[in-house]
Amino acid sequence: DAKTTQPNSMESNEEEPVHLPCNHSTISGTDYIHWYRQLPSQGPEYVIHGLTSNVNNRMASLAIAEDRKSSTLILHRATLRDAAVYYCILRFSSGSARQLTFGSGTQLTVLP
Amino acid sequence: EPEVTQTPSHQVTQMGQEVILRCVPISNHLYFYWYRQILGQKVEFLVSFYNNEISEKSEIFDDQFSVERPDGSNFTLKIRSTKLEDSAMYFCASSVGRHNTEAFFGQGTRLTVV
Repeated sequence: DAKTTQPNSMESNEEEPVHLPCNHSTISGTDYIHWYRQLPSQGPEYVIHGLTSNVNNRMASLAIAEDRKSSTLILHRATLRDAAVYYCILRFSSGSARQLTFGSGTQLTVLP
Repeated sequence: EPEVTQTPSHQVTQMGQEVILRCVPISNHLYFYWYRQILGQKVEFLVSFYNNEISEKSEIFDDQFSVERPDGSNFTLKIRSTKLEDSAMYFCASSVGRHNTEAFFGQGTRLTVV
């Protein structure tokens, strides 16, 4: 599986934007980039995913580099509830029911 | 909003006993998964299930583990003879499609083997 690299931890101030980076230099042409997060004592939660173009939804935006070797999850206004571990995951586009392979993720701390 | 529900939320069992963890996936979803997370460690894939059969399984998912969709709504994970190292949070997930759709996770079952 192609791997992703994320910083272990990041801090942000409440109500400020947060940019969470992810490197995936060995991504293949048909891998989707998925982001999930895990709040304390909860199951993982889907945030956003994309293939080539930037994506927006009600939770976040995903900016994908032109060469697709990196991406950035953008939380436009961090709240205390956004404190979580954020996982950047590549998901193959072929084959059977491909699982999500979770790494260590980025622990986001939001300061009041 | 539809959600994946798991029961029980916490299960304590003696080593060597059988346990069944239950999940009700979202009703129109076709793909089902079990993951586990040992305290302080990564979320690990166990098994995926589609069309009433296992699609993929990890090396963790040995002969002690089995999955079943007995009645079209429940999705169960059975551990035949629990070991201390099976103590973990077990998460069920489901999705409509394979790779281009989101997976919805349940809140998990905390399994404690004593």
